[in-house]
Amino acid sequence: NAGVTQTPKFQVLKTGQSMTLQCAQDMNHEYMSWYRQDPGMGLRLIHYSVGAGITDQGEVPNGYNVSRSTTEDFPLRLLSAAPSQTSVYFCASSYSMKPLNNEQFFGPGTRLTVL
Amino acid sequence: SQELEQSPQSLIVQEGKNLTINCTSSKTLYGLYWYKQKYGEGLIFLMMLQKGGEEKSHEKITAKLDEKKQQSSLHITASQPSHAGIYLCGAVTSGSRLTFGEGTQLTVNP
Repeated sequence: NAGVTQTPKFQVLKTGQSMTLQCAQDMNHEYMSWYRQDPGMGLRLIHYSVGAGITDQGEVPNGYNVSRSTTEDFPLRLLSAAPSQTSVYFCASSYSMKPLNNEQFFGPGTRLTVL
Repeated sequence: SQELEQSPQSLIVQEGKNLTINCTSSKTLYGLYWYKQKYGEGLIFLMMLQKGGEEKSHEKITAKLDEKKQQSSLHITASQPSHAGIYLCGAVTSGSRLTFGEGTQLTVNP
C-alpha cells in the first residue's frame, strides 16, 4: 500500500493564482482531512470529508474549497492564493471520523509559498 | 493551539541522555495521540493513550496519560540521533475533533 500520497511536494505561487493540491489514499478510508501547519500554530483543520460526496468545514476553511467524488481522492483547491496561505499542507485519512482508537495516517505534506 | 500546550518548544540533548516532553490540555482529555514528524515527511503515529494512568512504550519511548492533570508526557530513554524530529501531541477533548499542539523540536547531538 502507498498509504496517503500528496502532490506536489513543493509549490510557489503568485498572489491571485489558483491551484489544486492533490491527495489520495489506497486504504479505503472513509474519513479524509486537510490540515495546515504554521509556526507557533500547530496543525489546524481546514476541511474534512466523512465519505464520497460529503465534505464539511474545519477550523480555518476560508480561501479553500474541497470535493470528494471518490473514496480515494480528496483535492484541496486554492481559488485565489494569498500570502497568508503560505504554509505546509498535510492530508490525512482514517477509517472513520471517530477520534478515539482511530489512527490518522498522514501524507508527506506540500510546502506552499505564495509571493 | 492555546487549548493544547507542549513544553518545551525545543530541546537539544546529548546522545544517550533521557528527556521528557509534556503536553497539557486546558480541557478534559478523553484521549491523547503522539506523533513524530521529520522534515519533508508526514506525521508518524507513535501511540495513543485513552485511559487515565495508562502508560505505553515503544522501543525507548514511553508515554503516560494523567487525566487529573489533563496532561501527557513522552519520555525518551538513552536518546539517539534517530529520535530527532518534531514531536506533536493530538488531544481528543470533546466532540469529534482532534486538536494538535504546536510541537516540540528535538535535536540529539552525537
